[in-house]
Amino acid sequence: KAGVTQTPRYLIKTRGQQVTLSCSPISGHRSVSWYQQTPGQGLQFLFEYFSETQRNKGNFPGRFSGRQFSNSRSEMNVSTLELGDSALYLCASSQTAGDNEQFFGPGTRLTVL
Amino acid sequence: AQSVTQLGSHVSVSEGALVLLRCNYSSSVPPYLFWYVQYPNQGLQLLLKYTSAATLVKGINGFEAEFKKSETSFHLTKPSAHMSDAAEYFCAVTPGSGGSYIPTFGRGTSLIVHP
Repeated sequence: KAGVTQTPRYLIKTRGQQVTLSCSPISGHRSVSWYQQTPGQGLQFLFEYFSETQRNKGNFPGRFSGRQFSNSRSEMNVSTLELGDSALYLCASSQTAGDNEQFFGPGTRLTVL
Repeated sequence: AQSVTQLGSHVSVSEGALVLLRCNYSSSVPPYLFWYVQYPNQGLQLLLKYTSAATLVKGINGFEAEFKKSETSFHLTKPSAHMSDAAEYFCAVTPGSGGSYIPTFGRGTSLIVHP
């Protein structure tokens, strides 16, 4: 069974631009969570989607948004990029909402110049 | 509310030596606890988890952890380190039941293995 895939793996943007990251969960998994990983703040939870609905949201500004499609694939969008948004963005999938066993993708490395 | 503290941002051991990575947690409800490993340029891989069953949990790659409620600890151990164990290790906590599932991660411990 294929694992969680994230595209693109690397991305370079400039301040003020917006970016969309994509995540395809493991087949049969219906929940997708997003995390931001930085050296300064560590791993922080962004949001969780299940059945196309956002179930939980971390403490991030409204510039960070996401959505989930009927096939469970998910996208996250960051608008008006700031230098501090440079990070590794990780997606994790699980079978159901609130499932404590998550499977992580390799991440998208976003660099904001 | 919940939090995780990993003692030591870097731990250095010799190949064949005991590995001990420390994790202390706080949680207002009975917790579930996890250890993940992250290799360079990769995502997190689950090593093991505690979900209120046996307090001694065995995971992959020879790792194990013991849940000690009285000490609020969930330290990760491996009897004999291999060079391939060099990686970043994260401890995480979630509410065991009820409430919103939002995991809290520790800051990570980098394991360095010397030949």
